[in-house]
Amino acid sequence: QVQLVESGGGVVQPGRSLRLSCTVSGFTFSNYAIHWVRQAPGKGLEWVAVIWYDGTNKFYADSVLGRFTISRDNSNNTLYLQMDSLRVEDTAVYYCARAGGWSGYDFGDHWGQGTLLIVSS
Amino acid sequence: DTQLTQSPSSLSASVGDTVTITCRASQGVDNYLAWYQQKPGRVPRLLIYAASALQSGVPSRFSGRGFGTEFTLTISGLQPEDVATYYCQKYKRAPLTFGGGTKVEI
Repeated sequence: QVQLVESGGGVVQPGRSLRLSCTVSGFTFSNYAIHWVRQAPGKGLEWVAVIWYDGTNKFYADSVLGRFTISRDNSNNTLYLQMDSLRVEDTAVYYCARAGGWSGYDFGDHWGQGTLLIVSS
Repeated sequence: DTQLTQSPSSLSASVGDTVTITCRASQGVDNYLAWYQQKPGRVPRLLIYAASALQSGVPSRFSGRGFGTEFTLTISGLQPEDVATYYCQKYKRAPLTFGGGTKVEI
């Protein structure tokens, strides 16, 4: 069955960097766009970024533009989120979600369990 | 950027009631609108896509309608397991914004 597993979360100081990973199975990774979505404690869902099936197009929320970079390795079925210049307000559970198809302009039909990032001094 | 406004932000209803949640977009998004359910402590789950298409495995008591700027999610015959927060999301173009959520209680 379709599975997405996030990893790499933890506690990091403001201004530092961290890379999240999302490893998938149960479907042909290279055929699908993938999203990152986050949820701050007790808050709603916030879309973060998306990457097209082949990595050619990437889009970001204004709140992370210039600090976060989404990428993928289709040979290893893995999605990444490189997060630089982290801020306290980046504290959240980060989910990866498979898009409905190859385009990033699509809903998320399968979601991982999430990984928690805490940015604190 | 297109903003999505959900109303109400929370509601309380009885088992068997029909519940309707509204999502309004600040600009037209055609039918590029999805609805998700997030139960407490759980991962979001896709319910509806393309404004009205029911995702596989979702009970038929859930339905979606709308086009352009106004959308609704209706639960016909509320069940105890429907206690959750519901989010709309537009995906016509980036940013793929979510609404603020509607918490449904019984």
